[in-house]
Amino acid sequence: ELKVEQNPLFLSMQEGKNYTIYCNYSTTSDRLYWYRQDPGKSLESLFVLLSNGAVKQEGRLMASLDTKARLSTLHITAAVHDLSATYFCAVDALDSNYQLIWGAGTKLIIKP
Amino acid sequence: EAGVAQSPRYKIIEKRQSVAFWCNPISGHATLYWYQQILGQGPKLLIQFQNNGVVDDSQLPKDRFSAERLKGVDSTLKIQPAKLEDSAVYLCASSLDRPRWGHNEQFFGPGTRLTVL
Repeated sequence: ELKVEQNPLFLSMQEGKNYTIYCNYSTTSDRLYWYRQDPGKSLESLFVLLSNGAVKQEGRLMASLDTKARLSTLHITAAVHDLSATYFCAVDALDSNYQLIWGAGTKLIIKP
Repeated sequence: EAGVAQSPRYKIIEKRQSVAFWCNPISGHATLYWYQQILGQGPKLLIQFQNNGVVDDSQLPKDRFSAERLKGVDSTLKIQPAKLEDSAVYLCASSLDRPRWGHNEQFFGPGTRLTVL
């Protein structure tokens, strides 16, 4: 059974600092997705990582995928308050049902 | 391109009542998902449709939940009778046909927040 673990589950940080959120998964997959959810809102797709070594960047966020280590990271550079949200990673189970297996989410609070 | 549409946005009912949610996916998306998201948790898949057929409903409480996707486009999710523990946000998502496009990026609607009193 594919399991996805995120850490930390909660992160409070100051503006201007750098930090990394980790997403580990338990079986082979080369497709991983990052989503953002603001309080009371739906999920917004951030990054789609489709191969080993894939790196995507958007503003202060950068996501990478290491399929050999079964690890993805979401790095935040010089955090700003607007990045406060809950971030989810989801892994493609690569089975016939084409389902995504979701992490529990990382709640990120960035203090001014 | 229009996104995934859902209605209603909010619903408050008493336990043992029934409720229905509607979803219209992005045009051309073959796969439609219904998720339940309890506050502070990740989304939990309830049911997955490929066109108008059910692919997986293993986590759908079939004694009280039902869903259909007629004509392979719109979908409805029904709860009857509702229980207190059904209070959650119900999210609908859709995606392209993965075998053809090589990925399974899902696009989510705004969700329906259900409160059962």
